[in-house]
Amino acid sequence: DAGVTQSPTHLIKTRGQHVTLRCSPISGHKSVSWYQQVLGQGPQFIFQYYEKEERGRGNFPDRFSARQFPNYSSELNVNALLLGDSALYLCASINRNTEAFFGQGTRLTVV
Amino acid sequence: AQRVTQPEKLLSVFKGAPVELKCNYSYSGSPELFWYVQYSRQRLQLLLRHISRESIKGFTADLNKGETSFHLKKPFAQEEDSAMYYCALSGPRGSGTSYGKLTFGQGTILTVHP
Repeated sequence: DAGVTQSPTHLIKTRGQHVTLRCSPISGHKSVSWYQQVLGQGPQFIFQYYEKEERGRGNFPDRFSARQFPNYSSELNVNALLLGDSALYLCASINRNTEAFFGQGTRLTVV
Repeated sequence: AQRVTQPEKLLSVFKGAPVELKCNYSYSGSPELFWYVQYSRQRLQLLLRHISRESIKGFTADLNKGETSFHLKKPFAQEEDSAMYYCALSGPRGSGTSYGKLTFGQGTILTVHP
């Protein structure tokens, strides 16, 4: 099953550190989106990329950044981690019909 | 601002009973609407979208523009329907940066008892 893959699945970081999360979309999909899901809430939009260009940004501080590579994989970077950044980070691979296919997510814990 | 509200955090029904998961939205215009489902230990997946007008796993959802609602219904619930359900919207095609950007509700946990 060549679905959306995210790495790592879990990680623990200390406040103030930096983290990089990775996502490989479904083959043929040129767009990815990132979402943050805090416990007990629905996913919240962070970024959308299409053909390496940022197409949308949610209401997140500049500590959050992302990029998309020529092979359409993507990275989400978070600097100066805060305790409140602890969440499940979801990557979605978007097809031509704007249907989103989600990865399993990366569980980030900031201590 | 776009918003999705799912008023019920928890919903319990018995097998064979009808089920309705409520979703209300706020959007300036005509959004695209979706229902996503997350079964235990599985990833979030698309259940249905309003423009497809399909019935998936026996579920249907009708868009009511007057009431700005998109409730999910199934006439006879099954135990395997137990899951977390999210209603979501995005801007329509041509809406610029809001196209493809999903705004989710807080989700409803559906439990179907035997």
